[in-house]
Amino acid sequence: DAGVIQSPRHEVTEMGQEVTLRCKPISGHDYLFWYRQTMMRGLELLIYFNNNVPIDDSGMPEDRFSAKMPNASFSTLKIQPSEPRDSAVYFCASSSRTDRTEAFFGQGTRLTVV
Amino acid sequence: GDSVTQMEGPVTLSEEAFLTINCTYTATGYPSLFWYVQYPGEGLQLLLKATKADDKGSNKGFEATYRKETTSFHLEKGSVQVSDSAVYFCALSKNTGNQFYFGTGTSLTVIP
Repeated sequence: DAGVIQSPRHEVTEMGQEVTLRCKPISGHDYLFWYRQTMMRGLELLIYFNNNVPIDDSGMPEDRFSAKMPNASFSTLKIQPSEPRDSAVYFCASSSRTDRTEAFFGQGTRLTVV
Repeated sequence: GDSVTQMEGPVTLSEEAFLTINCTYTATGYPSLFWYVQYPGEGLQLLLKATKADDKGSNKGFEATYRKETTSFHLEKGSVQVSDSAVYFCALSKNTGNQFYFGTGTSLTVIP
């Protein structure tokens, strides 16, 4: 398996624009997580899904952030409108309940909002 | 609630020095414990894990023992190399829900 695949690897956008980050989890994994990493706040869990259903979105910072998982092989994290303080590295991870909980991370999307 | 507390960095060591990065956890029940490593510009990779008390996880010369009595999972390596320079994250996961809790990360720099 190719692992968790995220796209794009880098995104630079202007304040106010819509940004969509994409994630393809490992095939067969039934949990998917979105994290945000910044120097100030470290690694924060934004939202996670189980079997495509959002389970906990309490980490989503505000209504400008939304996440979807239309099927088992694809998820998106959207920011609309984007702000400079959203600049961070966004990671997607997936895991399988049957595999005793190890999480596999993608390489991340580095978002810069100018 | 469930949480992980790890030693703050940054940590700078000379090559071949002994490394310890402390990690303690708070959780109900019997979580699984992990150390992840993040090399510059990359995502987190699993370094080692332990799923029950007294288990020792080991990989690439790193070790950590699941100590339930002290709620700790300290990472150790006897002789670090320059290539070990990275950020290390302690984490726990409950068997229910698969939710992961990460520490704040400890940056390690090894100088020749």
